[in-house]
Amino acid sequence: GESVGLHLPTLSVQEGDNSIINCAYSNSASDYFIWYKQESGKGPQFIIDIRSNMDKRQGQRVTVLLNKTVKHLSLQIAATQPGDSAVYFCAENMVDTDKLIFGTGTRLQVFP
Amino acid sequence: GAVVSQHPSWVICKSGTSVKIECRSLDFQATTMFWYRQFPKQSLMLMATSNEGSKATYEQGVEKDKFLINHASLTLSTLTVTSAHPEDSSFYICSASGRISNQPQHFGDGTRLSIL
Repeated sequence: GESVGLHLPTLSVQEGDNSIINCAYSNSASDYFIWYKQESGKGPQFIIDIRSNMDKRQGQRVTVLLNKTVKHLSLQIAATQPGDSAVYFCAENMVDTDKLIFGTGTRLQVFP
Repeated sequence: GAVVSQHPSWVICKSGTSVKIECRSLDFQATTMFWYRQFPKQSLMLMATSNEGSKATYEQGVEKDKFLINHASLTLSTLTVTSAHPEDSSFYICSASGRISNQPQHFGDGTRLSIL
């Protein structure tokens, strides 16, 4: 299930299940969105991105959905594996800037 | 994919010391580099944006005299934490982007700075 920890919300899933990680972004002017995966002690690793003219994009085992009406972004991971355990951040890129604004992050824990 | 290297990965030093962190883009020209700070169990907070050959742009609340940024070439940016104190202890991460807009930033593996 999903719970809110002291700083990071945590999503716990069983290996093989599908995971859905949600993110609410702040600025309706943002036109580019990215999901990053961060393992302990490492920098963020690019997973998938989506531009504001799309509402869905698929990669290998991952799908990003964008709902601009409610400013919501989600990351779906199919057949979650132990190696998917990490903290996942959404990031929004405001139009006409190169800056990224990161969400608060969600810790994904995968149990055997 | 694009590779960004950050060095050192971990540094421990005494209070009052200045510490330099390097960020290199290994296989592409980084017109823009970004420096972030991350506290435990928290998100990344942008500190500054640096463009090659020009002065860095600092985010509100970030002391530019404390965190000196140099971006002298298209493959190297440095962050110097001057006269570091224990409250400067944190995880510092750089990222780089190329000339094309709306492309993902590529991140280094961070530097854990511990000030005693």
